[in-house]
Amino acid sequence: DAGVTQSPTHLIKTRGQQVTLRCSPKSGHDTVSWYQQALGQGPQFIFQYYEEEERQRGNFPDRFSGHQFPNYSSELNVNALLLGDSALYLCASSYRQGVKEKLFFGSGTQLSVL
Amino acid sequence: AQTVTQSQPEMSVQEAETVTLSCTYDTSESDYYLFWYKQPPSRQMILVIRQEAYKQQNATENRFSVNFQKAAKSFSLKISDSQLGDAAMYFCAYRDPNFGNEKLTFGTGTRLTIIP
Repeated sequence: DAGVTQSPTHLIKTRGQQVTLRCSPKSGHDTVSWYQQALGQGPQFIFQYYEEEERQRGNFPDRFSGHQFPNYSSELNVNALLLGDSALYLCASSYRQGVKEKLFFGSGTQLSVL
Repeated sequence: AQTVTQSQPEMSVQEAETVTLSCTYDTSESDYYLFWYKQPPSRQMILVIRQEAYKQQNATENRFSVNFQKAAKSFSLKISDSQLGDAAMYFCAYRDPNFGNEKLTFGTGTRLTIIP
């Protein structure tokens, strides 16, 4: 049983470019959340997708957007990249109806903005 | 907004000894969940232990246990019989029940080194 998978593992972009990160949830999970982890910091919640809609959002600008597909996989898009967007981006999945269900995290995508 | 504070950026312990990692949090809620996550060099966040605020009994998972002091808003992690594989970043996290499963608020982490 595959866990949460993220691609790519590493990515290098330049300022002003756009980037798309991908996440496949653990089998049986229907909810995907994205977190940004800057160097030396804890992860920060970006947003959560369920039933192909954004359900919750953290304190991130509109440059950060996402999508969830019918197969529950998800994409995180970041437009007009800034140097400060350099971070590890973590995807986590869970089952919505499982109130006590723990989150399963992927190994992340390391984004470097030059 | 809820905040989580980890005041120990780094800790070290001799193999087989016991170490305690500290965490404090701030919330106005009476019901919530607290977590300790481990992040090894593989970068994947791994759940170590979970505590439900309405439970007075401290959670334990094998060599890992917590000291949950609700009035003091303190949630420390004790690792007994430390092993080399315990070396990692440890993050304390809070979950607001009003937002469902997913929105976790993390501290800044404690890097744990195990000395052979």
